[in-house]
Amino acid sequence: SYVLTQPPSVSVAPGKTARITCGGNNIGSKSVHWYQQKPGQAPVLVIYYDSDRPSGIPERFSGSNSGNTATLTISRVEAGDEADYYCQVWDSSSDPHVVFGGGTKLTVL
Amino acid sequence: QVQLQESGPGLVKPSQTLSLTCTVSGGSISSGGYYWSWIRQHPGKGLEWIGYIYYSGSTYYNPSLKSRVTISVDTSKNQFSLKLSSVTAADTAVYYCARAREGATPSPYFDYWGQGTLVTVSS
Repeated sequence: SYVLTQPPSVSVAPGKTARITCGGNNIGSKSVHWYQQKPGQAPVLVIYYDSDRPSGIPERFSGSNSGNTATLTISRVEAGDEADYYCQVWDSSSDPHVVFGGGTKLTVL
Repeated sequence: QVQLQESGPGLVKPSQTLSLTCTVSGGSISSGGYYWSWIRQHPGKGLEWIGYIYYSGSTYYNPSLKSRVTISVDTSKNQFSLKLSSVTAADTAVYYCARAREGATPSPYFDYWGQGTLVTVSS
């Protein structure tokens, strides 16, 4: 089964850039989607198909995907960006299914 | 604006079947192009995909849960449902329903989510 690996936590000062990684075997050949989840709330899609932003998501959120690592980048981090972030792919193996990463807690210092 | 709302018992006894329904408003399940999904989150843990259904009835399930899961759709009520059999305490989680869509390449992503409902498995 395909495994996505995320760091448990990332810390960043306000106004700086946060980078959250999602590792997987040749993940660059897959499409990666990212979700933001704040405490007590449902996840919200922030990036789809590696780098596309849904309407309403600030341009500060961007994504990239190459080789064995996909990255969610949050520029000019704000206190309101503090949340858990999850990456997700579709594993098109013999038994196709959705795979989520374990999640990364972003702390704004 | 599409909205999804989960409903069902918040407490289920071990060995019984967990049953939840998701009511969709602001759009028709029958319109096609979307996969109607269930995702769960154990307390303090990450997201786990359970499965999804297309309006035609085609289903995909998480291989780790497939033997216990059934997802069905009722287009007349604009609802879809989850049944998870033989539950144990390990099935205690917040259960979300969500809408999945995909673009030119087959890689579904979840663009609308319900608020989630906590289901506790306990005697």
